[in-house]
Amino acid sequence: QQQVKQSPQSLIVQKGGIPIINCAYENTAFDYFPWYQQFPGKGPALLIAIRPDVSEKKEGRFTISFNKSAKQFSLHIMDSQPGDSATYFCAALEGTGNQFYFGTGTSLTVIP
Amino acid sequence: KAGVTQTPRYLIKTRGQQVTLSCSPISGHRSVSWYQQTPGQGLQFLFEYFSETQRNKGNFPGRFSGRQFSNSRSEMNVSTLELGDSALYLCASSLGPTEFQETQYFGPGTRLLVL
Repeated sequence: QQQVKQSPQSLIVQKGGIPIINCAYENTAFDYFPWYQQFPGKGPALLIAIRPDVSEKKEGRFTISFNKSAKQFSLHIMDSQPGDSATYFCAALEGTGNQFYFGTGTSLTVIP
Repeated sequence: KAGVTQTPRYLIKTRGQQVTLSCSPISGHRSVSWYQQTPGQGLQFLFEYFSETQRNKGNFPGRFSGRQFSNSRSEMNVSTLELGDSALYLCASSLGPTEFQETQYFGPGTRLLVL
């Protein structure tokens, strides 16, 4: 059973658009939510992470929105660029856990 | 500082064979986690090692095993390979164990094809 459900599976936007990737979870013990970016032929790289005590976190053009009551979090990419074309994964970790649970990934294509 | 390295990068095996994959973490990192990545499934956790001890194991059959050496390098072994084992195997290293919520740094992966 997928502990973290991610959507959409793929996304195509024009340059300058704001792609939004959504993740949902059920386990209320999760308390750390990172997002990873993966380019072809490379391993995933941490992009940005959030804890449930804040509702939003921004790092550059990347923003995580977190809705604790709905058990959902999302990644927004402002002013998207062709170089943002990659696969994005959300993940979650329990406070006392030693295993990350990953979403199934979203393939983002930004058209010039 | 050198990143996480994995060897080999590509591997072709036949059903029934066994395979050993290697991961060298970032210098100073003592935790290594292994993941299997397949299209549509995302990353599935295999196991985590910290200071030579397996701390957790994912929902994979006993054919998948691993170990960590005193220099934090880790190996994973898959015995009696099946076609469904074809995947990208990723390792990630971090300073401390996973529950410390420190950044995991991933290697480029080993692409395994089972024929």
